[in-house]
Amino acid sequence: RKEVEQDPGPFNVPEGATVAFNCTYSNSASQSFFWYRQDCRKEPKLLMSVYSSGNEDGRFTAQLNRASQYISLLIRDSKLSDSATYLCVVNMDDYKLSFGAGTTVTVRA
Amino acid sequence: GAVVSQHPSRVICKSGTSVKIECRSLDFQATTMFWYRQFPKQSLMLMATSNEGSKATYEQGVEKDKFLINHASLTLSTLTVTSAHPEDSSFYICSARGLGTGLPTNEKLFFGSGTQLSVL
Repeated sequence: RKEVEQDPGPFNVPEGATVAFNCTYSNSASQSFFWYRQDCRKEPKLLMSVYSSGNEDGRFTAQLNRASQYISLLIRDSKLSDSATYLCVVNMDDYKLSFGAGTTVTVRA
Repeated sequence: GAVVSQHPSRVICKSGTSVKIECRSLDFQATTMFWYRQFPKQSLMLMATSNEGSKATYEQGVEKDKFLINHASLTLSTLTVTSAHPEDSSFYICSARGLGTGLPTNEKLFFGSGTQLSVL
């Protein structure tokens, strides 16, 4: 089983729609969780950290479910500029981060 | 703010040649540098971790004699792909964490912009 698994998508949504997707992780001892955004052949950029209580940053909401070992990302009121690949990142220990393969989101006009 | 400068952004080389990729941390000291490789439509795969002044720790399946990592200073780490072959063609990216970033060490990585290597 992969350490971090994501639905690759693509999720094709119209502008203004809500899109949500999950990421599962295998190591129950994982401590930190992040969502990164990666545009084609560019470096990943931190979108948001994921906290146990769930957190929101503008149109983006992230949640953590430790019992079922998954995190989720929800994007409200999608913009064209939200089109990207979203990487789920799990901190297995203090030094090692494991990346999911990414979920591709395409927002159409 | 903290920035990692990675060069070159793109390199095309002949099979059998060696290619060096540099990552420099700007405005902070990169105590730890991570090197990743990403094939199309796949996740970033950690190749190795290097701490300044120490030998790099390679992930299973990564040949240390083929992928030479040097982290001799707190602001510079290099990855050299020796005797490159077409199967080494990939997107290589570094990321750093360290002192002076103002963040806990496990909070954020600073990524270089990546190097697209194409071996003919």
